[in-house]
Amino acid sequence: AQTVTQSQPEMSVQEAETVTLSCTYDTSESDYYLFWYKQPPSRQMILVIRQEAYKQQNATENRFSVNFQKAAKSFSLKISDSQLGDAAMYFCAYRSAGGLGSNYQLIWGAGTKLIIKP
Amino acid sequence: NAGVTQTPKFRILKIGQSMTLQCTQDMNHNYMYWYRQDPGMGLKLIYYSVGAGITDKGEVPNGYNVSRSTTEDFPLRLELAAPSQTSVYFCASSYGQGIDEKLFFGSGTQLSVL
Repeated sequence: AQTVTQSQPEMSVQEAETVTLSCTYDTSESDYYLFWYKQPPSRQMILVIRQEAYKQQNATENRFSVNFQKAAKSFSLKISDSQLGDAAMYFCAYRSAGGLGSNYQLIWGAGTKLIIKP
Repeated sequence: NAGVTQTPKFRILKIGQSMTLQCTQDMNHNYMYWYRQDPGMGLKLIYYSVGAGITDKGEVPNGYNVSRSTTEDFPLRLELAAPSQTSVYFCASSYGQGIDEKLFFGSGTQLSVL
């Protein structure tokens, strides 16, 4: 079974600086998708960025980018120029690329709480 | 668009009571999901539905039931509430496939069973 591990329960960063959140996963599959979601205090889940495993190029969305290391099964999120609005819980998630049934499941990490210091 | 609407936002139950968490979406999505989020843990899938009349178990279905009589509504029923069901519950809907799937979440229901 696939697992997702976020080893940092909490991280803090000074406003305008860069922070990296780590995520590792375990799978025997070769094709899958990886996601980072943000959950602010409002409890809404917001997709931040996503990566297809067969694409070697790291995904980027404005100030958010990932470092995807397939062999190491690592999927870290880098937030540049941190802003107060980035404060939230960040969840890493894994999903199989094909098939039915259990593939409807996103496998979630436990989350990292990101604190932005003004 | 209202998106995914969950009610209630908060609820306290006594052990053994039953309740239904309501979820409705106005985006005509076929796929809907119920998750629970325990403190310090990621989301766990309880049940999901791929369309009206079709539901299936997720990772943690015990103690819950669902129905999907319409595309819009996907209520979650708790029978004989237990303290282990204290959690935050999220309903979600989605469209698209694979990497292009877009998930829309409700704002959650915080449930305490005492």
